[in-house]
Amino acid sequence: NAGVMQNPRHLVRRRGQEARLRCSPMKGHSHVYWYRQLPEEGLKFMVYLQKENIIDESGMPKERFSAEFPKEGPSILRIQQVVRGDSAAYFCASSPRRTDSYEQYFGPGTRLTVT
Amino acid sequence: KNEVEQSPQNLTAQEGEFITINCSYSVGISALHWLQQHPGGGIVSLFMLSSGKKKHGRLIATINIQEKHSSLHITASHPRDSAVYICAVRGEYGNKLVFGAGTILRVKS
Repeated sequence: NAGVMQNPRHLVRRRGQEARLRCSPMKGHSHVYWYRQLPEEGLKFMVYLQKENIIDESGMPKERFSAEFPKEGPSILRIQQVVRGDSAAYFCASSPRRTDSYEQYFGPGTRLTVT
Repeated sequence: KNEVEQSPQNLTAQEGEFITINCSYSVGISALHWLQQHPGGGIVSLFMLSSGKKKHGRLIATINIQEKHSSLHITASHPRDSAVYICAVRGEYGNKLVFGAGTILRVKS
């Protein structure tokens, strides 16, 4: 059973370009979470999605950031018009259901560098 | 004040020593996670606790819900244990995790 997969693992973008980060949850998992780890800072929650639904986006910046988890295919975190401050490691995690008893399994992360 | 506080921030130990990392939180929780992150690496979930104590190999995690405190212990530490250890809590409502700043552990041989 493959774990959570993220691609690309490393992404370099120039200021003003768009970044698309992909997350494929573990087989059988229908809930995805995105977290961001800024340099020298701790992890912060961004968004929680179920297939075709955004459950909690309280951690998402108000502009330029969006996330989706379609019925088919991976979850996508999209950052438009990237700026240097977006440089960070972006991790996704998945769980089978929205209940207290299920762990979140983390992917290897995508390291975004904005030049 | 952060909702999740870890101590110490940095810890250097000799191989073989017993190590304790502490986590205190200020909100009601449904579960607490201990995570491990190697430099430049991904995040591995070590434990998820809602009460009591769990053991896996040389790692032990305990939680005291009344005192809002958890500890992660490593027995017979080894250089390969060198990593960042992160405490994260899940609130009573909702599934998002709130993270501590992490404890950087270095075990010297």
